Amino acid sequence: KNQVEQSPQSLIILEGKNCTLQCNYTVSPFSNLRWYKQDTGRGPVSLTIMTFSENTKSNGRYTATLDADTKQSSLHITASQLSDSASYICVVSFNDYKLSFGAGTTVTVRA
Amino acid sequence: NAGVTQTPKFQVLKTGQSMTLQCAQDMNHEYMSWYRQDPGMGLRLIHYSVGAGITDQGEVPNGYNVSRSTTEDFPLRLLSAAPSQTSVYFCASSYLVADQETQYFGPGTRLLVL
Repeated sequence: KNQVEQSPQSLIILEGKNCTLQCNYTVSPFSNLRWYKQDTGRGPVSLTIMTFSENTKSNGRYTATLDADTKQSSLHITASQLSDSASYICVVSFNDYKLSFGAGTTVTVRA
Repeated sequence: NAGVTQTPKFQVLKTGQSMTLQCAQDMNHEYMSWYRQDPGMGLRLIHYSVGAGITDQGEVPNGYNVSRSTTEDFPLRLLSAAPSQTSVYFCASSYLVADQETQYFGPGTRLLVL
């Protein structure tokens, strides 16, 4: 069973609108949580990394939140642009260098 | 810096053939790893290395071998390709203290086994 579940599986939004992606995890012990952006045909690129003591972290128009008590994270995209069309992957780090990857949420931004 | 490079970008194999996927990084990262990405699934760790001469198995190591003779290179060998190994393969690297260090991924190798 995947220890990192993401929702929704995919979504379509209009350019300029906001959206929020969800990540629930059961991984333990927790070290940190990362969000990656993966453009079609490319490797994942890191957006944010948060430890259990951090509640929020921003990277431009991307804002990630973390609730370590409920084991939930979200990624909020503000004022979406066409270039935001990609897959967004939630990754939880545990036991030194081991990472557990979510299946990703595919975001399509339409003009 | 070129970052993490992978070759080839695409490959078609017949069942039973062997091949090596190349991965190199120029960031002097100690930690390197190989993942496979299949539709509807998260990336899964195949093998990883925490330094030259040291390798270990990940989540799905069967059918794959690795070696780490230098800090820069981490090749992945398919010993006898099977259709189940059709996937996209990503190599990644980071500094050894991985708690806060991001992993840098290569562009991927798309493999089709017939």
